[in-house]
Amino acid sequence: GAVVSQHPSWVICKSGTSVKIECRSLDFQATTMFWYRQFPKQSLMLMATSNEGSKATYEQGVEKDKFLINHASLTLSTLTVTSAHPEDSSFYICSARYQYEQYFGPGTRLTVT
Amino acid sequence: QQQVKQSPQSLIVQKGGIPIINCAYENTAFDYFPWYQQFPGKGPALLIAIRPDVSEKKEGRFTISFNKSAKQFSLHIMDSQPGDSATYFCAAREGNTGKLIFGQGTTLQVKP
Repeated sequence: GAVVSQHPSWVICKSGTSVKIECRSLDFQATTMFWYRQFPKQSLMLMATSNEGSKATYEQGVEKDKFLINHASLTLSTLTVTSAHPEDSSFYICSARYQYEQYFGPGTRLTVT
Repeated sequence: QQQVKQSPQSLIVQKGGIPIINCAYENTAFDYFPWYQQFPGKGPALLIAIRPDVSEKKEGRFTISFNKSAKQFSLHIMDSQPGDSATYFCAAREGNTGKLIFGQGTTLQVKP
């Protein structure tokens, strides 16, 4: 139980384009999901907290107009990287809160060329 | 500043050894302390977690020791195996927001 999926698992896009990443809780409903970014050999950095039916709460220093988060249902949150640049290349991971735990998705590798 | 400090950064043990990873925190409002295991290219997987009113929790070969007064907690892996080679992250949950604050991570290598 408590499985979280992400799609796509990896994506390559050209600079200036937008990319959407989906995060789904497969066997539970999640009113709260979180989006993280992880650079190679570094820890997870929380980008934003996504609450179903309301606006996301962004961490300090994260551009909300660049990283659009939508939590339209209890099982789906999306992260859209707008006007992507090479420095946005990273490993993006979502998590969903279930009872007291946070369960993580498998991650999405984004490469911007 | 809310922060969780993790050490060591890397660790190498022989098969059967007992690696120990340590974490320390400052914020007494943290109310839950999970450990995650991450393999390269994968998302973190919840390993074991503890609440601050418990001093020790054991699940299989994994044990968390928690010292509330010292604001420290640690992960012990008994009878370590090469398959345990991964990066381990400690975390602390912020009680009012549910956010997890992660440690810097420890890369563990278990040699056969």
